[in-house]
Amino acid sequence: NAGVTQTPKFQVLKTGQSMTLQCAQDMNHEYMSWYRQDPGMGLRLIHYSVGAGITDQGEVPNGYNVSRSTTEDFPLRLLSAAPSQTSVYFCASSRLAGGFYNEQFFGPGTRLTVL
Amino acid sequence: QQPVQSPQAVILREGEDAVINCSSSKALYSVHWYRQKHGEAPVFLMILLKGGEQKGHEKISASFNEKKQQSSLYLTASQLSYSGTYFCGTGSQGNLIFGKGTKLSVKP
Repeated sequence: NAGVTQTPKFQVLKTGQSMTLQCAQDMNHEYMSWYRQDPGMGLRLIHYSVGAGITDQGEVPNGYNVSRSTTEDFPLRLLSAAPSQTSVYFCASSRLAGGFYNEQFFGPGTRLTVL
Repeated sequence: QQPVQSPQAVILREGEDAVINCSSSKALYSVHWYRQKHGEAPVFLMILLKGGEQKGHEKISASFNEKKQQSSLYLTASQLSYSGTYFCGTGSQGNLIFGKGTKLSVKP
């Protein structure tokens, strides 16, 4: 099993550009999510999904879109990049059982810089 | 709403103990604990569920007080490998929200 994979590992964008961060998991997990990590702010939830076709907003969703057409993939789209979106982005997945979240498996992260 | 962690940072000598606290203003159904080393992804340590069930690490323990909406992580006889940033995450209403983290440094 590859676990949770993310591409790219590093990306530099100019303000106003758009791009998609890719996330895939091969563990058949129902729950997938995107977090951003900034110094001193911890991990902040952007969007999450409890299954294919179902997505919802987290704490900081503005400027980001997601979709979940398959169980395996959960891409994050930046519509018009801004310097405030410079961050490290982590994708995570887990099983859902009995209404409780199980161990979250995190991808290696994508370090994004917006100039 | 983000859970609140304390302390923000702690420095220990090898063999010393530490306690990291996590509290929430919302009712908690589960509390997760993760450790992140510099430049790496967070790694799962433990889950505590409403009702007292625990799943996770053999050498690190935790408590979950549902009434007070608090959890504490107990690191005993710390090792150099315990260094990193510890995050608690609280699960309710369909999502998992993490605190800002506690940076733990263990010195020889």
